[in-house]
Amino acid sequence: AQTVTQSQPEMSVQEAETVTLSCTYDTSESNYYLFWYKQPPSRQMILVIRQEAYKQQNATENRFSVNFQKAAKSFSLKISDSQLGDTAMYFCAFMKPPTLDSNYQLIWGAGTKLIIKP
Amino acid sequence: EAQVTQNPRYLITVTGKKLTVTCSQNMNHEYMSWYRQDPGLGLRQIYYSMNVEVTDKGDVPEGYKVSRKEKRNFPLILESPSPNQTSLYFCASRPGPPPNGNTIYFGEGSWLTVV
Repeated sequence: AQTVTQSQPEMSVQEAETVTLSCTYDTSESNYYLFWYKQPPSRQMILVIRQEAYKQQNATENRFSVNFQKAAKSFSLKISDSQLGDTAMYFCAFMKPPTLDSNYQLIWGAGTKLIIKP
Repeated sequence: EAQVTQNPRYLITVTGKKLTVTCSQNMNHEYMSWYRQDPGLGLRQIYYSMNVEVTDKGDVPEGYKVSRKEKRNFPLILESPSPNQTSLYFCASRPGPPPNGNTIYFGEGSWLTVV
């Protein structure tokens, strides 16, 4: 069974600093998707970044980037120039490619609470 | 605007009183699912539906029911709520077949407290 582990329950950094959130996963699949979701105090789930396992290039979205190490099954999120609005819970999630017959299930990590201090 | 709408957003109810949390999406998505979020556990899938009249259990289905009579709606039913069902609930939808099936849309969440 696939599992996702986020080993940092909580982190805090000063505004403008760079922070890296870790995520490891366990799967025997070779093709899959990985996601980072942000959940601010409003509790809304917001997609931050997505990575396809068949792509070697690390995904980047503005200040957010990932370090995807497929052999190590690691998928860390780097936030550069952190802002107060980045304060949120961050969840790592894993999904096998959807098929016509399979469950589209996401497997979630337990989350990392990130606090950006002014 | 593409969206997934859940109601109610906040509810306090008593043990044993049947309740329904509605979920509606306006994107003609085939796949819909319900999750519950509890501290330290991330999101866990309750039920999912791959199309109208096609539903199946997720990881934590006990105490819940669902139905999918129309493509846009996927209500979550708690026939006899208990305090251990106090949680934050999310409805999600996505297109069915690849290549877009990994684009997931979440509702805003429903806080449910059972006393």
